[in-house]
Amino acid sequence: EIVLTQSPATLSLSPGERATLSCRASQSVSSFLAWYQQKPGQAPRLLIYDASNRATGIPPRFSGSASGTDFTLTISNLEPEDFAVYYCQHRGNWPSLTFGGGTKVEIK
Amino acid sequence: QVQLQESGPRLVKPSETLSLTCTVSGGSIGCDYCYWAWIRQPPGKGLEWVGYVSDDGSADQNPSLNRRVTLSTDTSKNQFSLKLSSVTAADTAMYYCARVKWQVLDYWGQGKLVTVSS
Repeated sequence: EIVLTQSPATLSLSPGERATLSCRASQSVSSFLAWYQQKPGQAPRLLIYDASNRATGIPPRFSGSASGTDFTLTISNLEPEDFAVYYCQHRGNWPSLTFGGGTKVEIK
Repeated sequence: QVQLQESGPRLVKPSETLSLTCTVSGGSIGCDYCYWAWIRQPPGKGLEWVGYVSDDGSADQNPSLNRRVTLSTDTSKNQFSLKLSSVTAADTAMYYCARVKWQVLDYWGQGKLVTVSS
């Protein structure tokens, strides 16, 4: 079973700063990794799929990258609406879907 | 624009069956390479995959749910449904329905909070 470990659990930053979120897989997942954003009281929203492809309508300040089993979501120049919880998700061991534990990006 | 909407009871008694329906609009439940999933989120916690179903009825569920899950589709109504039997307080959660395409959840419903309590 593949386990996704997200770090840090909480990231305290100010608007305009860069956020760097990590998701580490317990074994190789190729590039089959997605990122979601969840704001309070809302459903998650797809941001990134296949490690680095932005979903439709997602602004370019959101970017994803991969290095082996380490995946990174970068939010450059944080906007007020970006403060939320972010989850990574692996699709490779289909039909199971695995989620990371989440990283909360909060206002410092 | 595909939209999904969950419906069903908000309160279920322990040992009974939780039943939810997701209505899909703006797209067909029979779309190519699509599956239809249920994801849940206990209050204050992370996301957990419950199960998925396709328009031809093939389905799978999270093994951690001990085969308590029944999934189905109604293509005539463009709906899919979840039944979770023998519920306990641990099944209290926000339940989301979502479209899965290429194993990515690209459209989500707004969620339905279901509480298990007597």
